[in-house]
Amino acid sequence: KNQVEQSPQSLIILEGKNCTLQCNYTVSPFSNLRWYKQDTGRGPVSLTIMTFSENTKSNGRYTATLDADTKQSSLHITASQLSDSASYICVVSAKAAGNKLTFGGGTRVLVKP
Amino acid sequence: NAGVTQTPKFQVLKTGQSMTLQCAQDMNHEYMSWYRQDPGMGLRLIHYSVGAGITDQGEVPNGYNVSRSTTEDFPLRLLSAAPSQTSVYFCASSFLDESETQYFGPGTRLLVL
Repeated sequence: KNQVEQSPQSLIILEGKNCTLQCNYTVSPFSNLRWYKQDTGRGPVSLTIMTFSENTKSNGRYTATLDADTKQSSLHITASQLSDSASYICVVSAKAAGNKLTFGGGTRVLVKP
Repeated sequence: NAGVTQTPKFQVLKTGQSMTLQCAQDMNHEYMSWYRQDPGMGLRLIHYSVGAGITDQGEVPNGYNVSRSTTEDFPLRLLSAAPSQTSVYFCASSFLDESETQYFGPGTRLLVL
């Protein structure tokens, strides 16, 4: 069964600090991996997408990495801001017919001043 | 462009009542889908559509119906609401299929008493 596990479930960081979120997956055959940001009371918004051949992808202060061999991804937030307080969801897409997406449970990040 | 819109934003139902959650997109996307999001769980796919006139079941379809008469609209019907359907519902769309970036609506928060 395809699975996506995210850790930690939640974390609190001080404004200006960095943090790293983890995503481990067992989805096969792998197509791509996305990170979404979901603000409270809003729908998820795509941050990055990575395919099998990509190791790193940046979007402003967000940097995602992918190790397809170990089936792990991370999302690094640099110099956190209050607006980074949100849930971050890892989504892995499989090359298969029908329902291809597997969602992680998300990591809730709270940035404190 | 308004993107993906959903109505209502919030709804309270009594057990056994029926209702329709509306979803519309103005991006000419072929693929549309409905998810539910429950605390501590990842987004789960209810139904999806790859184009007008075509719908299919996702991971948790029981108790829900959909139709896709136009490219723009993808309503979700609750046939006989149950407390287990208390959740936040998100509609999403993408250009061709779910492996592409999905654009999510703002969500409908449903409470079934």
